[in-house]
Amino acid sequence: KAGVTQTPRYLIKTRGQQVTLSCSPISGHRSVSWYQQTPGQGLQFLFEYFSETQRNKGNFPGRFSGRQFSNSRSEMNVSTLELGDSALYLCASSLRGGHTDTQYFGPGTRLTVL
Amino acid sequence: AQKVTQAQTEISVVEKEDVTLDCVYETRDTTYYLFWYKQPPSGELVFLIRRNSFDEQNEISGRYSWNFQKSTSSFNFTITASQVVDSAVYFCALSEAHDMDSSYKLIFGSGTRLLVRP
Repeated sequence: KAGVTQTPRYLIKTRGQQVTLSCSPISGHRSVSWYQQTPGQGLQFLFEYFSETQRNKGNFPGRFSGRQFSNSRSEMNVSTLELGDSALYLCASSLRGGHTDTQYFGPGTRLTVL
Repeated sequence: AQKVTQAQTEISVVEKEDVTLDCVYETRDTTYYLFWYKQPPSGELVFLIRRNSFDEQNEISGRYSWNFQKSTSSFNFTITASQVVDSAVYFCALSEAHDMDSSYKLIFGSGTRLLVRP
């Protein structure tokens, strides 16, 4: 079974631009979560989607948004990029996102903001 | 508030040595899950183990073993006879959920970088 895939793997943007990252979950998984990893803050939860609905959101500004499609694929968008948004963005999928599920991670998208 | 502490920032060992990675957690939930993930240089987080709060049985999987002790809020990870391929950053994580049916998020520790030298 194919794992979680994320595109693109690397991205370079400039301040003020916006960016969209994509995540395809493991086949059959309907929950997708997004995490940001930076050297200073570590791994932090962004949001979680299930059946096209955001169920959980971390403590990030409104510039960070996401959505999920009917095929469970998810995208996250960051508008008005700041230098501090440079990070590895990891997507994780699980069957239903419930407490008994395990989250499986993709390879991440490394975003550099110049 | 939930919190995970990995006090060891970096550990360096020589191949074939045993190494233990420490993890201490804080939570007010009575039901929770603890996880260990491995992050090799490629960046992907690789799932290693999940343990629920009601199961304090130690687990062994090949060269890996885990020691869960609720009395000390610890979930330590031991690699026996370490190999160069074990070099990676290891993260301990705690699940936070409002109830059993709602979605949960992972609270990660800061990670321990393990370097296994030949």
